Amino acid sequence: LAKTTQPISMDSYEGQEVNITCSHNNIATNDYITWYQQFPSQGPRFIIQGYKTKVTNEVASLFIPADRKSSTLSLPRVSLSDTAVYYCLVGPGPYGNKLVFGAGTILRVKS
Amino acid sequence: DTEVTQTPKHLVMGMTNKKSLKCEQHMGHRAMYWYKQKAKKPPELMFVYSYEKLSINESVPSRFSPECPNSSLLNLHLHALQPEDSALYLCASSRYSGDGDEKLFFGSGTQLSVL
Repeated sequence: LAKTTQPISMDSYEGQEVNITCSHNNIATNDYITWYQQFPSQGPRFIIQGYKTKVTNEVASLFIPADRKSSTLSLPRVSLSDTAVYYCLVGPGPYGNKLVFGAGTILRVKS
Repeated sequence: DTEVTQTPKHLVMGMTNKKSLKCEQHMGHRAMYWYKQKAKKPPELMFVYSYEKLSINESVPSRFSPECPNSSLLNLHLHALQPEDSALYLCASSRYSGDGDEKLFFGSGTQLSVL
């Protein structure tokens, strides 16, 4: 399984763009990169998923370089409500759905 | 309907009790998961059911017993738990299409306290 490494925490201010990078050096050919957001006492929520290059949706962008050994989640103009833990998952792994969470990044947005 | 529903939301049990956690989804997903999450830690994978068959068991103690009665339901039976088993138990589902682009849909969890 591809192991992921993220910064433990990041601080930002409202209105700024936040970029969170995830390292996954041993990503497999069939693996996708998926990011989740989690608030306290809630289940994680899907944010964005990509395989290569750039993906954008209404809440975030995901940048994946050609070698796919890392990825960057970009949150434009964050607000206080974006304070949460962000997880990068790489999978599905050899079973097709062994989806294991790494340590995650605590994002604190300040006013 | 993109919801995964978990019941109960909170559960307090003694070490000799038997209880069950329930999870339901109506998205037609063919994979269902149990995760355990301790405070300030990431979710930890426990079990995966694929097409109603147990496909992954992450060496979970036998006091946790999963069951998948049909494609929409997932149960976790609890017996003789220890205080260190107190945690948030999360259920999730995904399509399991074979294309690799699995996306997990989570319930809001059951907060379990073992006394």
